[in-house]
Amino acid sequence: GAVVSQHPSRVICKSGTSVKIECRSLDFQATTMFWYRQFPKQSLMLMATSNEGSKATYEQGVEKDKFLINHASLTLSTLTVTSAHPEDSSFYICSAWRESYNEQFFGPGTRLTVL
Amino acid sequence: GDSVTQMEGPVTLSEEAFLTINCTYTATGYPSLFWYVQYPGEGLQLLLKATKADDKGSNKGFEATYRKETTSFHLEKGSVQVSDSAVYFCALSDPGSGTYKYIFGTGTRLKVLA
Repeated sequence: GAVVSQHPSRVICKSGTSVKIECRSLDFQATTMFWYRQFPKQSLMLMATSNEGSKATYEQGVEKDKFLINHASLTLSTLTVTSAHPEDSSFYICSAWRESYNEQFFGPGTRLTVL
Repeated sequence: GDSVTQMEGPVTLSEEAFLTINCTYTATGYPSLFWYVQYPGEGLQLLLKATKADDKGSNKGFEATYRKETTSFHLEKGSVQVSDSAVYFCALSDPGSGTYKYIFGTGTRLKVLA
């Protein structure tokens, strides 16, 4: 079946540094990918829709300058958390839309811890 | 707008008990409905889905029927196992919205005791 990967699976960084998370669709092309954030014991919160070759569409309340999204190819979207702070610590999950399935396929998630 | 409402958890059951997790939705169009499972520290795995009214999704002993008249998609399993302990999310996708966004419920934590 379809597989979506994320890298890294875990990252620990110091406050003030930037962290990049990659999301790849391994066996299909995805013009649309999504980035979610999940706090402990809570549901997924959609942060933004990543569109290949164009700017991402951010949900209300999500700082676009803080969470930079780049979707430069049909199989790769990246989320960069700039100038990370402890409150950015969270579980970040990406998904890729597969046209032929009419369905999102989810990555395994990235645990970000900012010290 | 569209929304998904799930029953509050946690749900604690003994092994081999019957499971029901309620999910109701509101949508302006004709959504597709999904159940996802999340094990600790992992991402979401699709458990089952249904794309039109009266469809029944099933997988690994879990079932859910798309009920348009009651706008529901309740998850059921006849005999739960300890390995079913996880968080379950109900979600909808409304193709008529022009986006591919999913609306998730709040999740229901299931704990199965041996």
